[in-house]
Amino acid sequence: DAGVIQSPRHEVTEMGQEVTLRCKPISGHDYLFWYRQTMMRGLELLIYFNNNVPIDDSGMPEDRFSAKMPNASFSTLKIQPSEPRDSAVYFCASSLGGRGLVMNTEAFFGQGTRLTVV
Amino acid sequence: GDSVTQMEGPVTLSEEAFLTINCTYTATGYPSLFWYVQYPGEGLQLLLKATKADDKGSNKGFEATYRKETTSFHLEKGSVQVSDSAVYFCALRSSASKIIFGSGTRLSIRP
Repeated sequence: DAGVIQSPRHEVTEMGQEVTLRCKPISGHDYLFWYRQTMMRGLELLIYFNNNVPIDDSGMPEDRFSAKMPNASFSTLKIQPSEPRDSAVYFCASSLGGRGLVMNTEAFFGQGTRLTVV
Repeated sequence: GDSVTQMEGPVTLSEEAFLTINCTYTATGYPSLFWYVQYPGEGLQLLLKATKADDKGSNKGFEATYRKETTSFHLEKGSVQVSDSAVYFCALRSSASKIIFGSGTRLSIRP
């Protein structure tokens, strides 16, 4: 398997523009996570899905952020309108679930999208 | 809620020194614990994991033991190499299924 694939790798956009980040999880994985990494805040969990359904979006910073997972092989994270403080590296990760209540499986990360909003 | 606390960096060591990076956690139930490593410009990679109390995870000379009594999962390596220079993240996965990461510890190894 090619692993988790994110696109684009780099994105530079002007303040106020819409930005869409894309992710293809590993085939067969039923969990998908979106994280944001910055020097100030470290690695923050934004939202995660199970079987294409959003489970917890409490980490989404504002209404400007939205995420969708229309099918098991594709997810998007959209920022509209973008602001300079959204500049960060955004990671997508996928995993299998565990057995019953034991969630013992690790997440596999993509290479990330480095977003710069000017 | 669940959380992970790891030692502040950066940590700078000489080659062949002993490494410890501390990690403690707060979680309900019985979380699984992980150490990830991130090299410059890359995503996070799993280094090792432990899924129940007293389990020891190990990989590439690194080890960590799941200590439920002290809610800790400290990372150790007996003799570090320059190629170990990276950022290390401690993480937990709870029964709620989300994966929570610590703030990361930057490790630099001098030749």
